[in-house]
Amino acid sequence: NAGVTQTPKFQVLKTGQSMTLQCAQDMNHEYMSWYRQDPGMGLRLIHYSVGAGITDQGEVPNGYNVSRSTTEDFPLRLLSAAPSQTSVYFCASSQTPGQPWGTQYFGPGTRLLVL
Amino acid sequence: AQKVTQAQTEISVVEKEDVTLDCVYETRDTTYYLFWYKQPPSGELVFLIRRNSFDEQNEISGRYSWNFQKSTSSFNFTITASQVVDSAVYFCAFNPTNDYKLSFGAGTTVTVRA
Repeated sequence: NAGVTQTPKFQVLKTGQSMTLQCAQDMNHEYMSWYRQDPGMGLRLIHYSVGAGITDQGEVPNGYNVSRSTTEDFPLRLLSAAPSQTSVYFCASSQTPGQPWGTQYFGPGTRLLVL
Repeated sequence: AQKVTQAQTEISVVEKEDVTLDCVYETRDTTYYLFWYKQPPSGELVFLIRRNSFDEQNEISGRYSWNFQKSTSSFNFTITASQVVDSAVYFCAFNPTNDYKLSFGAGTTVTVRA
C-alpha cells in the first residue's frame, strides 16, 4: 500500500492564480481531511469528508474548495491564491475518527508559496 | 471547543538525556482520544500513539513513554536516553469520541545535540 499520497510536493503560485492540490489514499478509508501547518500554530483543519459525495468545513475553510467523487481521492482547490495561503498542506485519511480504529494517517505534505 | 496546549516551544538536550514534553487539553467531552505525532526534519507526520480517555495506564514503547492523567487533563510524553534521531517537532492532538475533528497543539521542537 502506498498509504496517503500528495502531489505536488512543492508549488509556487502568483497571487490570484488557481490550483488543485491532489490527495489519494489506497486504504479504503472513508474519512479524509486537509490541514494546513503554519509556524507556531500546529495543524488546522481546512475541510474534511466522511465519504464520497460528503464534505464539510473545518476550522479555516475560507479560500478553499473540496469535493469527493471517489473514496480514494480528495482534491483541495485554491480558487484565487493569496499570500496568506502560503503554508504546508497535509492530507490525512482514516477509518471513522473518534473511534478506536480512527487514527489519522498523513501524506507527505505539499509546500505552497504564494507570491 | 477543545484546546490543546503545548507550552514548551523548544527543548534542547544533549544526547542520552531524558526529555519530557508536556501536553494539556481542555474539553467538556467525557470521552475522547489523545494522540502524539512526530514530525522529523524531512517533514512527514508520523503517528506515535493513541490513548483512549478510559484508559489511564501509562504506556511504554522502547525509549518512549506516555503519562496520561485525566484528573489534570495532561498527556505527557517522555523520551528516555535521547538520540540525535529524536530531533523533531512533536505534536499532541485531541479527538472527541464520535467527532470528526482532530485538534492539534502548536508543537514542541526537540533538538538533541551529539
